[in-house]
Amino acid sequence: AQKITQTQPGMFVQEKEAVTLDCTYDTSDPSYGLFWYKQPSSGEMIFLIYQGSYDQQNATEGRYSLNFQKARKSANLVISASQLGDSAMYFCAMREGLGNQFYFGTGTSLTVIP
Amino acid sequence: NAGVTQTPKFRILKIGQSMTLQCTQDMNHNYMYWYRQDPGMGLKLIYYSVGAGITDKGEVPNGYNVSRSTTEDFPLRLELAAPSQTSVYFCASTRQGEPQHFGDGTRLSIL
Repeated sequence: AQKITQTQPGMFVQEKEAVTLDCTYDTSDPSYGLFWYKQPSSGEMIFLIYQGSYDQQNATEGRYSLNFQKARKSANLVISASQLGDSAMYFCAMREGLGNQFYFGTGTSLTVIP
Repeated sequence: NAGVTQTPKFRILKIGQSMTLQCTQDMNHNYMYWYRQDPGMGLKLIYYSVGAGITDKGEVPNGYNVSRSTTEDFPLRLELAAPSQTSVYFCASTRQGEPQHFGDGTRLSIL
């Protein structure tokens, strides 16, 4: 089974609107970390936000927030007030417990429309 | 701080040639990784290391070799380049409980 599933290959959002990018995960380890990365067309991988499995609050970083629903095993990224510069690929990733590997989803391509 | 530095940024190889992709980090991270990213796809783990002298295979190790003689450096070796190895290669590093820091990538074409 896939560890990380991103079901939206492509998404469009109007500038200044909010958008939610979906991510579901699969693990039986009670301790894990969830990460979101942004990859603009220039190619670099930029870390956006982190959520630990024991964190009580949903993570927020500026315009990025993580809608963490543990029972549903989902960790959706919410981008508020979208900007043209938000157009990029977005990857969800997970690290299980004290494991050494990170598991990445296949990504969602976000296009912000002016 | 430089973070994770990869060299070269671009390279074209002929089939059967060999080369080493360099990766160095200055954050004293014990964990280092090599990924490949094919066009329009996600990241696939090639090899990783949990510390100097320790390496382990990831999802797609065939055709590659690695070594980790120091904490800072984690080179990736292609011995007999094949067209299927045309990809963008990313090196990353981290420590426990932190996100991965990525290099800018090496764009490799094999013709």
